[in-house]
Amino acid sequence: GNSVTQMEGPVTLSEEAFLTINCTYTATGYPSLFWYVQYPGEGLQLLLKATKADDKGSNKGFEATYRKETTSFHLEKGSVQVSDSAVYFCALRWGPIQGAQKLVFGQGTRLTINP
Amino acid sequence: AAGVIQSPRHLIKEKRETATLKCYPIPRHDTVYWYQQGPGQDPQFLISFYEKMQSDKGSIPDRFSAQQFSDYHSELNMSSLELGDSALYFCASRGGLAGDSTDTQYFGPGTRLTVL
Repeated sequence: GNSVTQMEGPVTLSEEAFLTINCTYTATGYPSLFWYVQYPGEGLQLLLKATKADDKGSNKGFEATYRKETTSFHLEKGSVQVSDSAVYFCALRWGPIQGAQKLVFGQGTRLTINP
Repeated sequence: AAGVIQSPRHLIKEKRETATLKCYPIPRHDTVYWYQQGPGQDPQFLISFYEKMQSDKGSIPDRFSAQQFSDYHSELNMSSLELGDSALYFCASRGGLAGDSTDTQYFGPGTRLTVL
């Protein structure tokens, strides 16, 4: 079945450090890939997405490239800020039927940025 | 911009009681999804509706039922509550009528259910 695997957390970095959170997936066909962010006590917010191979999603300084050959969608940011502290979820969406495209999430990576 | 609304935001119930969670999708979104997120866990898909019909079912217990109404809002009914049902329940909606042809699901803030 379809699944998503994220790097183990938690991850703690200093402000302005480079961030990489690894995400790999297993899927039949060609899923769309997403990164969602969850701030403490809040719901899930879409951070970025990519719908086909070699697409790059980007938002708020974060980037991720859909790599079909390595089945990966790693999240990167060149210089993190304290406000980036949150839990990050990688997810895939797949389903050929209208309305049936549920999201399958990775286990989440808790990121803490220290000033 | 309007977002997904969920009510109540917090709910405390006793074991074996019943709970009803409500979800109001973004206006003109026709697809609603329900997810359950246990403490420290990733969200797990429960059920989805498209145009008021159930379109997919995940790991939803038989004690739970859901429906989507004519105004596209959805309700998740949970009976015979168990301690293990304590979780954050998210609703997400997806466009169609609004001309949003992307596959993006927009999440509500969640309902935190605590079963004592």
